[in-house]
Amino acid sequence: GESVGLHLPTLSVQEGDNSIINCAYSNSASDYFIWYKQESGKGPQFIIDIRSNMDKRQGQRVTVLLNKTVKHLSLQIAATQPGDSAVYFCAENRGTYKYIFGTGTRLKVLA
Amino acid sequence: SAVISQKPSRDICQRGTSLTIQCQVDSQVTMMFWYRQQPGQSLTLIATANQGSEATYESGFVIDKFPISRPNLTFSTLTVSNMSPEDSSIYLCSVERGRVGTEAFFGQGTRLTVV
Repeated sequence: GESVGLHLPTLSVQEGDNSIINCAYSNSASDYFIWYKQESGKGPQFIIDIRSNMDKRQGQRVTVLLNKTVKHLSLQIAATQPGDSAVYFCAENRGTYKYIFGTGTRLKVLA
Repeated sequence: SAVISQKPSRDICQRGTSLTIQCQVDSQVTMMFWYRQQPGQSLTLIATANQGSEATYESGFVIDKFPISRPNLTFSTLTVSNMSPEDSSIYLCSVERGRVGTEAFFGQGTRLTVV
């Protein structure tokens, strides 16, 4: 069935390095994508979003890249910090109120 | 942004019993959503709750197992009925305040353990 998935379940990164978290989606009709961060014991927190008419969007220390040709989404975190340790989810929206979430990647920041 | 409060934050329940989870939003919203997040997994939408009408359930979820109330524009409840250990999950309330296809906000979740 249609799904949004992630390539790596766990990513370990040295503090100060850049992190790249990947996500594949299967429905070309999706037009809005969000990256969420979920820390232990908390609900998902919005990080950054991107619409299908864009291929790149930058925030503070984070960049989202969208490749519609291969239906791929990535989240780049610059200068990864211990506070970035969490599970990251991509979510896609198809112009409705319903979101489909990817399986999640756990980011571990090594001191 | 939206401030969403869920109660309880966690509970341990006996199998066969029911638990009602409350979700309170700091302002009026048209639609509220309930998600389930099983251990180590992603979020799965259970149902969409509109004020004044019955909730709309996703495939695999039924009203008898997960009855939902939406008495007003700032509040909703989800009941997990006749619980079994397989219902052990985090249950999350969510709202979307903007137009369709904008950021969804989440509560902190209710961590349910069924023993």
